[in-house]
Amino acid sequence: GAVVSQHPSRVICKSGTSVKIECRSLDFQATTMFWYRQFPKQSLMLMATSNEGSKATYEQGVEKDKFLINHASLTLSTLTVTSAHPEDSSFYICSARDRDGIFQETQYFGPGTRLLVL
Amino acid sequence: EDQVTQSPEALRLQEGESSSLNCSYTVSGLRGLFWYRQDPGKGPEFLFTLYSAGEEKEKERLKATLTKKESFLHITAPKPEDSATYLCAVQARGGSNYKLTFGKGTLLTVIP
Repeated sequence: GAVVSQHPSRVICKSGTSVKIECRSLDFQATTMFWYRQFPKQSLMLMATSNEGSKATYEQGVEKDKFLINHASLTLSTLTVTSAHPEDSSFYICSARDRDGIFQETQYFGPGTRLLVL
Repeated sequence: EDQVTQSPEALRLQEGESSSLNCSYTVSGLRGLFWYRQDPGKGPEFLFTLYSAGEEKEKERLKATLTKKESFLHITAPKPEDSATYLCAVQARGGSNYKLTFGKGTLLTVIP
């Protein structure tokens, strides 16, 4: 149980284009999803908290207009990197909380999406 | 501000050589302390949640313990498949904020 998927697993795009990453909870409903980025040999840095049906809450220093987050249903959140540049190249990981789980504070992570901007 | 410090940064063990990883934390009221395992190029895999000082949890060769200032992940008789980065994270009490603050992790390598 508590499986989270991400699509795509890796993407290469040209500078200036936009890229959409999907995060799905497969066997549970998630009112809250989180988006992280991770640079090589670094820990996970929270970018934003995504709540179903409401606007995402972004961490300090994260550009809202660059990283668009939509949480349209209880099982799907999307992250769109707009006008991507090489410095946006990173490993993006989502996580989700099980709305109906016994341990609602636990976050279950997806497998990650490797983004390379050329 | 919540902070998590993990040590050592890297640890090499012979197969069967038991050891411990440390996670020191400061948080404004602990809701939970979490241990995750992360393999290269993959997302973190949930291992344990600890809620209060004195609590212990076990899973196969892993045992996690918690005090008011730190947590230990004990690895007994490790195998090569235990090689991974182990991440510690804390979550502060308060409202509907379920954010995690992560440490930088400990890279464990178990040599056959």
